[in-house]
Amino acid sequence: NAGVTQTPKFQVLKTGQSMTLQCAQDMNHEYMSWYRQDPGMGLRLIHYSVGAGITDQGEVPNGYNVSRSTTEDFPLRLLSAAPSQTSVYFCASSFGGSSPLHFGNGTRLTVT
Amino acid sequence: AQKITQTQPGMFVQEKEAVTLDCTYDTSDPSYGLFWYKQPSSGEMIFLIYQGSYDQQNATEGRYSLNFQKARKSANLVISASQLGDSAMYFCAMRAGSYQLTFGKGTKLSVIP
Repeated sequence: NAGVTQTPKFQVLKTGQSMTLQCAQDMNHEYMSWYRQDPGMGLRLIHYSVGAGITDQGEVPNGYNVSRSTTEDFPLRLLSAAPSQTSVYFCASSFGGSSPLHFGNGTRLTVT
Repeated sequence: AQKITQTQPGMFVQEKEAVTLDCTYDTSDPSYGLFWYKQPSSGEMIFLIYQGSYDQQNATEGRYSLNFQKARKSANLVISASQLGDSAMYFCAMRAGSYQLTFGKGTKLSVIP
């Protein structure tokens, strides 16, 4: 009964460092996505995938990479962290249509 | 392009009273769905209610109902008999023509005892 699992929960990076946020779901959802949440901005879509091997950019993709080699996993890579990437990151998955997004518990990232 | 507008950054409601959180949307797609999520201070995103554009009746889930006015492009969330545990951020979101959800900026609801 895991749902969407995100790791880590907290991370502090120095400017220029790289890291990968992990996301896994066990609901066999085709669709997976990454959002960032900033105060007063709601949730903004970074990247999404509609199936293994297929990814596309969302509203705010710059500075992030994704890949989808399996249905279950959808990692988000920060190539060279910047203070502007300080945010809370959510991974989410869904069947699409009328099916709601199921969210992970979030990763709070601070870039100094 | 799809857009969701939530015009109330913050709202206060007395415990046991009803409250309406506003949401307007914009899309040219005739087929779309509207979702409401709750985010308590602990940070998780909790799905509350869904309304499809072709649904004939307003959606209800327990104390939550969705006042869907298609001509006005509004999908307001109504919470009846507010409880202290309803204090949270509330997000309206829309899916139109694809898998992605577009979110509004949210409304912070505070329930006063």
